[in-house]
Amino acid sequence: AQTVTQSQPEMSVQEAETVTLSCTYDTSESNYYLFWYKQPPSRQMILVIRQEAYKQQNATENRFSVNFQKAAKSFSLKISDSQLGDTAMYFCAFIPNDYKLSFGAGTTVTVRA
Amino acid sequence: DAGVTQSPTHLIKTRGQQVTLRCSPKSGHDTVSWYQQALGQGPQFIFQYYEEEERQRGNFPDRFSGHQFPNYSSELNVNALLLGDSALYLCASSPVGAPANYGYTFGSGTRLTVV
Repeated sequence: AQTVTQSQPEMSVQEAETVTLSCTYDTSESNYYLFWYKQPPSRQMILVIRQEAYKQQNATENRFSVNFQKAAKSFSLKISDSQLGDTAMYFCAFIPNDYKLSFGAGTTVTVRA
Repeated sequence: DAGVTQSPTHLIKTRGQQVTLRCSPKSGHDTVSWYQQALGQGPQFIFQYYEEEERQRGNFPDRFSGHQFPNYSSELNVNALLLGDSALYLCASSPVGAPANYGYTFGSGTRLTVV
């Protein structure tokens, strides 16, 4: 069975500063995909960034970047230059070859003005 | 281009009743998955439909059933509702063979409250 663990229930960051969210996962698969999703109060789950396990290079999308450590099964998300619109719940998620997306429990991020 | 649409947005039902939730996938997507998200928790996989058949199922009782239509839209049915079924139900779609490449596209969900 695959599990995804997010150990930080809540994080708070000042506008324009940087925050890092942690995520660890457990799998016996050799090839898989990792995602970070954002869920604002509107409830819609929005894809933030994606990482393919066979790629060593860390993914980057504008102000969002990941630190992917395959041996440690760690996949953290860094939000740089935080903006008020980044306030949301962030979920780490994992897809092995069976296409079933498994989510962590989420981290609530609050950006303070 | 419309994304994933779900209806209704909110629903209140009484224990023991039955409910049907609906989902229209994003244009070009033919695989639909359903998730249950309890308050303050991550979504849990219920099942996935492709080619009008249940392809995979999570750890949910038989009270949860689904259907996919030829136009790829889908329904989630829950029978004999329990208070614990109160949750946000999310529908997600993807093109077949590519969910890992692109992730799923999610709808805004249906908030079900069982009283």
